[in-house]
Amino acid sequence: EAQVTQNPRYLITVTGKKLTVTCSQNMNHEYMSWYRQDPGLGLRQIYYSMNVEVTDKGDVPEGYKVSRKEKRNFPLILESPSPNQTSLYFCASSGLAGAGADTQYFGPGTRLTVL
Amino acid sequence: TQLLEQSPQFLSIQEGENLTVYCNSSSVFSSLQWYRQEPGEGPVLLVTVVTGGEVKKLKRLTFQFGDARKDSSLHITAAQTGDTGLYLCAGSSGWKAGTYKYIFGTGTRLKVLA
Repeated sequence: EAQVTQNPRYLITVTGKKLTVTCSQNMNHEYMSWYRQDPGLGLRQIYYSMNVEVTDKGDVPEGYKVSRKEKRNFPLILESPSPNQTSLYFCASSGLAGAGADTQYFGPGTRLTVL
Repeated sequence: TQLLEQSPQFLSIQEGENLTVYCNSSSVFSSLQWYRQEPGEGPVLLVTVVTGGEVKKLKRLTFQFGDARKDSSLHITAAQTGDTGLYLCAGSSGWKAGTYKYIFGTGTRLKVLA
């Protein structure tokens, strides 16, 4: 089954404690992206990657890091989480050409609370 | 920064009524997508429109991309309770100056009452 998986689904942590949210896709997609969703603000793009070792900032990259060492995985790293990073996070992937372009498949989400 | 404004933010209607959701921007997009999101889940793509003036139909849902590729609308005919959910539009920059970004609207929360 084609899917995007994220782990963990729920996480409560404290300010300053480094954490990683994993994302994996099994569709051989070139493009992967992280978003955060906050009430009244919609989905905002944090970082994206157009292929292995190619990453770029979205609209809200401050406080986040990403890496793309393998095509299927795109972890989101919070080196020193702060309460304003409490949010619902989504990972997504898509192809970049042909019929698959702009068809983003989203993971189930990770609800993060930073105390 | 590109912005996508959706209206209305909230909509509560009776089953059988028609409705239209709007997605507007001052920026030109390479393509525009509409998603539907259920509580506790990620957004699911409904349609992608890529050509100015394009109209796509998905059963009772009609999507239109503006001629200038800056705006879009979603029209639902004879709404059903199963249409309840959060509707999101998203604009893609396409391959623009070596980047490929997405901008999402703030969403329209639709509730269809029986």
